[in-house]
Amino acid sequence: EAGVAQSPRYKIIEKRQSVAFWCNPISGHATLYWYQQILGQGPKLLIQFQNNGVVDDSQLPKDRFSAERLKGVDSTLKIQPAKLEDSAVYLCASSLVKVSTDTQYFGPGTRLTVL
Amino acid sequence: DQQVKQNSPSLSVQEGRISILNCDYTNSMFDYFLWYKKYPAEGPTFLISISSIKDKNEDGRFTVFLNKSAKHLSLHIVPSQPGDSAVYFCAASGGTGNQFYFGTGTSLTVIP
Repeated sequence: EAGVAQSPRYKIIEKRQSVAFWCNPISGHATLYWYQQILGQGPKLLIQFQNNGVVDDSQLPKDRFSAERLKGVDSTLKIQPAKLEDSAVYLCASSLVKVSTDTQYFGPGTRLTVL
Repeated sequence: DQQVKQNSPSLSVQEGRISILNCDYTNSMFDYFLWYKKYPAEGPTFLISISSIKDKNEDGRFTVFLNKSAKHLSLHIVPSQPGDSAVYFCAASGGTGNQFYFGTGTSLTVIP
């Protein structure tokens, strides 16, 4: 079974530029998550999708971050414009269903550096 | 507000000995807890979980203990192996939402 795929693996941009990350979850997984992990911290949930609908985006900085999951499969996370404090690893995860006891499977992450 | 805390950023143990990683939480509504393991340049992988109706869960060399009154959980690895060297995150969920709150991680080094 293929795992969660993410691209790119690394991205360096200057502040005020735009960037987009892509995630392909495990086949058949209904729930998809985007996390932000700043160096020295644990992952923080940005947004959670159930199929192609948003379940929780309470911690997504909506003035600059946006995410979509068209057709309930792949997802993209965009930052526009980027700030220095956005430097982090962006992790995508998926789970079969949306219950608190369901295991989340993580992709390798995209490391973003904003200069 | 950090609801899940791992106060030890790093831990070193000798191969064959026991590794004990600790985690504290503040939200009494949390009822499900997990440990994830993370190698460099990889995403976290699920290791073991425990529900609040239990106080212990075992899976091979890994055991998680939950002390609800103290709002504390720990992960025991016995015996520790060099391949266990990684960053370990605890996470908790429950209450009004299903999102997981992660600790800051503990970097475990097992010395051969």
